[in-house]
Amino acid sequence: AQSVAQPEDQVNVAEGNPLTVKCTYSVSGNPYLFWYVQYPNRGLQFLLKYITGDNLVKGSYGFEAEFNKSQTSFHLKKPSALVSDSALYFCGAHNQGGKLIFGQGTELSVKP
Amino acid sequence: EPEVTQTPSHQVTQMGQEVILRCVPISNHLYFYWYRQILGQKVEFLVSFYNNEISEKSEIFDDQFSVERPDGSNFTLKIRSTKLEDSAMYFCASRENSGNEKLFFGSGTQLSVL
Repeated sequence: AQSVAQPEDQVNVAEGNPLTVKCTYSVSGNPYLFWYVQYPNRGLQFLLKYITGDNLVKGSYGFEAEFNKSQTSFHLKKPSALVSDSALYFCGAHNQGGKLIFGQGTELSVKP
Repeated sequence: EPEVTQTPSHQVTQMGQEVILRCVPISNHLYFYWYRQILGQKVEFLVSFYNNEISEKSEIFDDQFSVERPDGSNFTLKIRSTKLEDSAMYFCASRENSGNEKLFFGSGTQLSVL
């Protein structure tokens, strides 16, 4: 069965420091991987996706994610965090034709 | 950017009552989904819908749940007899095709069952 894991419930970062939000997946076949962000009282907003090609994908708001096939990971990164990045982040995965499933979410808190 | 819209934003109901959650997907999208998020928990897949029929559903989506696309623009989720544990945020999502495109999510309907 497909699954997505986000091992950290919360990540705390100082503004200006790099951030990483971790994600590992278990998907049969070639994975399609996504990151979404959820601000309070809002729906999920798409950040970036990996389908094929370069392992480092760039997305909205300066975020990027690195696909690592051997470690089945797709960690979200940003070189310099902003206070406005504070939100709930969800990693998602599916295989060809499959449904998108999410990890449990990681709350990112960026302090000034 | 085009948006998925959901109404109402909040719905309060008594246990045992029927509720209908409404969604207007993006106009040229063909694949539709419902997800739910119980407070403090992950976003869970409920059901996917294509070509006027359910293509996949989760264990959560039992006989109390149904979906419909009544008029070519709306996409509804009906819960026939609500239970306390149905209290959650319900998200509608749509996608243009079945491949690798992203899902567009609505802002959600917060359902509270009393």
